[in-house]
Amino acid sequence: QKEVEQDPGPLSVPEGAIVSLNCTYSNSAFQYFMWYRQYSRKGPELLMYTYSSGNKEDGRFTAQVDKSSKYISLFIRDSQPSDSATYLCAMRFGGTALIFGKGTTLSVSS
Amino acid sequence: SAVISQKPSRDICQRGTSLTIQCQVDSQVTMMFWYRQQPGQSLTLIATANQGSEATYESGFVIDKFPISRPNLTFSTLTVSNMSPEDSSIYLCSVLEGNSNYGYTFGSGTRLTVV
Repeated sequence: QKEVEQDPGPLSVPEGAIVSLNCTYSNSAFQYFMWYRQYSRKGPELLMYTYSSGNKEDGRFTAQVDKSSKYISLFIRDSQPSDSATYLCAMRFGGTALIFGKGTTLSVSS
Repeated sequence: SAVISQKPSRDICQRGTSLTIQCQVDSQVTMMFWYRQQPGQSLTLIATANQGSEATYESGFVIDKFPISRPNLTFSTLTVSNMSPEDSSIYLCSVLEGNSNYGYTFGSGTRLTVV
């Protein structure tokens, strides 16, 4: 069993839709949770981050962590064509290395 | 956040040869990392580049195949040695800034094709 599982999609939605992206993980020691966005031929860029359980909102983006279920989510409201990218979940515990999911490819059509 | 310049952006190499990838950061950083991103796979950590000492490699990666240098706090190189088609991948440099728990920045990557 991989440490972090993420459905690679692809996921296609119309503009304005609400998008839900999810990851599950197996290691209960993970404490720091991040979402990265990666455009084609670019490096990943940090989008959202949360510590331990709870919600965090930033504009159209909301990150949720449920440590009891070992489940994290990223919600995108009012999705735009510019949101079309690959979204990677990442997490770590005391060490400095990030463990990534495979990434979900999202396409938002206008 | 730190700005990372990674070179080359892409290359096509013959099997059996080696390629050195450079990572230049516009500020001093303590932690530098090298990742591999294979199609359909997770971003996988190859090693942590330590300034002034040998890199720390993850399971499945060895120094003879992926030698790493870190001569100072702003620069590192990763060499992919004796390449085979299985080494075709995107290689990414990443840095962690200051004492942040989340401040990981990535370069744009090097797209390597081995023929």
